[in-house]
Amino acid sequence: DVKVTQSSRYLVKRTGEKVFLECVQDMDHENMFWYRQDPGLGLRLIYFSYDVKMKEKGDIPEGYSVSREKKERFSLILESASTNQTSMYLCASSWSNSPLHFGNGTRLTVT
Amino acid sequence: GENVEQHPSTLSVQEGDSAVIKCTYSDSASNYFPWYKQELGKGPQLIIDIRSNVGEKKDQRIAVTLNKTAKHFSLHITETQPEDSAVYFCAAPSWGVTGGGNKLTFGTGTQLKVEL
Repeated sequence: DVKVTQSSRYLVKRTGEKVFLECVQDMDHENMFWYRQDPGLGLRLIYFSYDVKMKEKGDIPEGYSVSREKKERFSLILESASTNQTSMYLCASSWSNSPLHFGNGTRLTVT
Repeated sequence: GENVEQHPSTLSVQEGDSAVIKCTYSDSASNYFPWYKQELGKGPQLIIDIRSNVGEKKDQRIAVTLNKTAKHFSLHITETQPEDSAVYFCAAPSWGVTGGGNKLTFGTGTQLKVEL
């Protein structure tokens, strides 16, 4: 069974801090994704990656960056956290043209 | 890019009744439409999907219908049970510079509550 593991379930950070959200998948999937989920807005794509060291912007990349140094790991970075980045962050992975498998999410609060 | 609209945002049904959730999409080139279920405290999980070469697909109590002409697709749950209570998301492919692959645009979600 595919497992997508997000390192933190809950995270509380202060405005201006650099924040790292980590995601690891165990199925050798090429594709990895970071979404944020907000009430009434659904899931919005921040960044995605089709291969190691490869990244592409999604629909809302501003204020975020990503890193994919190894195939199984995809990190989301908030260079300087702001209160409007308080949200639920969901990582997903997949083979090409196959369904997305999601982790259980990291709920980030920026105070 | 793709635009997906989902209705209703909340839906309350009695146990045993049917539930229907509807989505519309904007890009006529879209050819793959998944539905995800998100239970409390968990990430979304695929429950059914449909490709554009068929009009309907069923899996036990769940079915999805697709109308390509009208650009809408619907999730149908029959004989609802309390464990069907969750948030449901529809999605359609996002076609960007790379061709989109399985990059998805999601609807805004429907909170389904099945009451005893």
